[in-house]
Amino acid sequence: AQKVTQAQTEISVVEKEDVTLDCVYETRDTTYYLFWYKQPPSGELVFLIRRNSFDEQNEISGRYSWNFQKSTSSFNFTITASQVVDSAVYFCALGYNFNKFYFGSGTKLNVKP
Amino acid sequence: ETGVTQTPRHLVMGMTNKKSLKCEQHLGHNAMYWYKQSAKKPLELMFVYNFKEQTENNSVPSRFSPECPNSSHLFLHLHTLQPEDSALYLCASSQDGLEGYTFGSGTRLTVV
Repeated sequence: AQKVTQAQTEISVVEKEDVTLDCVYETRDTTYYLFWYKQPPSGELVFLIRRNSFDEQNEISGRYSWNFQKSTSSFNFTITASQVVDSAVYFCALGYNFNKFYFGSGTKLNVKP
Repeated sequence: ETGVTQTPRHLVMGMTNKKSLKCEQHLGHNAMYWYKQSAKKPLELMFVYNFKEQTENNSVPSRFSPECPNSSHLFLHLHTLQPEDSALYLCASSQDGLEGYTFGSGTRLTVV
């Protein structure tokens, strides 16, 4: 079975705080891809990052960083020094090919000024 | 402009109406998708088209009827919907899924 769990339904932080969004996945396959998407109030999901199952290197992009740990089947997303514009719903996803793509239920992040 | 355009952005329809949602992608992708996003529920995959051929129908009721005339256009024809069908309907495209999807802004559908 394939499953993506985002246990945090909603998180509220004050601007400039760091925040980590958790993602735990479940799969029996050895080859797979993990993604994070951002959905601002406008509606469209914006692609943030893709990692394959063979690359456990952490990645940093500006204020965003991702921690991929196969040992715990987790792919967590950290925003450093959060800003109001980071307020959105964030989705973690697990994919195999164009037909097999599974989204978590999303975490709503509220960043207050 | 995300490269995937959905129209209309908002739609209110009665349960006896027939309407269509349109999606167009300008990215040269070969796969297109319809997703349903209801309040407090995970994104639900509805249909997948690869090179204009439907490759996935995720047990979607027949009141939703997809059409993919070419690899750039995707439609979702709606008829005799129920109030519980009210949701955000998202279209997406991808080259092979492994690079991730590009999503449209969605159509907010309200069935009254």
